[in-house]
Amino acid sequence: DAKTTQPNSMESNEEEPVHLPCNHSTISGTDYIHWYRQLPSQGPEYVIHGLTSNVNNRMASLAIAEDRKSSTLILHRATLRDAAVYYCILRDWDSGGGADGLTFGKGTHLIIQP
Amino acid sequence: DTEVTQTPKHLVMGMTNKKSLKCEQHMGHRAMYWYKQKAKKPPELMFVYSYEKLSINESVPSRFSPECPNSSLLNLHLHALQPEDSALYLCASSLDRTQPQHFGDGTRLSIL
Repeated sequence: DAKTTQPNSMESNEEEPVHLPCNHSTISGTDYIHWYRQLPSQGPEYVIHGLTSNVNNRMASLAIAEDRKSSTLILHRATLRDAAVYYCILRDWDSGGGADGLTFGKGTHLIIQP
Repeated sequence: DTEVTQTPKHLVMGMTNKKSLKCEQHMGHRAMYWYKQKAKKPPELMFVYSYEKLSINESVPSRFSPECPNSSLLNLHLHALQPEDSALYLCASSLDRTQPQHFGDGTRLSIL
């Protein structure tokens, strides 16, 4: 899987939007961009994924740059429960089929201030 | 609450013991995974099962032995572990390789 780069940590205030960046300059045409988060004392949790177009779901939005070399996870109104480590992961859907695992980077530790 | 259930939640064992970790899902997922997570580090893939067959072993030492008895159950058998094997062991499942993975909350393992 191609490499991603994320800031080590970010801080935001409760009830404000949060924009979490991810750089993936070596992304290939068949790489999907996935985001997971891990709350304290829990396993990772799927947040959202996309290929080229921006995506929205009940948890967040994913904005993908036109050249796909970067993306941004957007939490529209952060709460204290959103404090977690957020991982940006590339997954190649065209690597010969079969199941594969996720390659986690260091992620971004998001701190939410009340 | 998660849809992937791992037992036990905590396990303390000596280096000569044999124990097993269990993972169960009833979502009809055909891919299941074991990950290892050391403190303050990201999870690292250990094994992947696809349709109950081992498809990926990330060069894991033989003291870790996975087993997939049926499509809902995944075990990790432990024998002669070392203190550096102390970690959080996470299980995950997915419908197939293109779909998101669902994780359990892990088993926290301590080796004395």
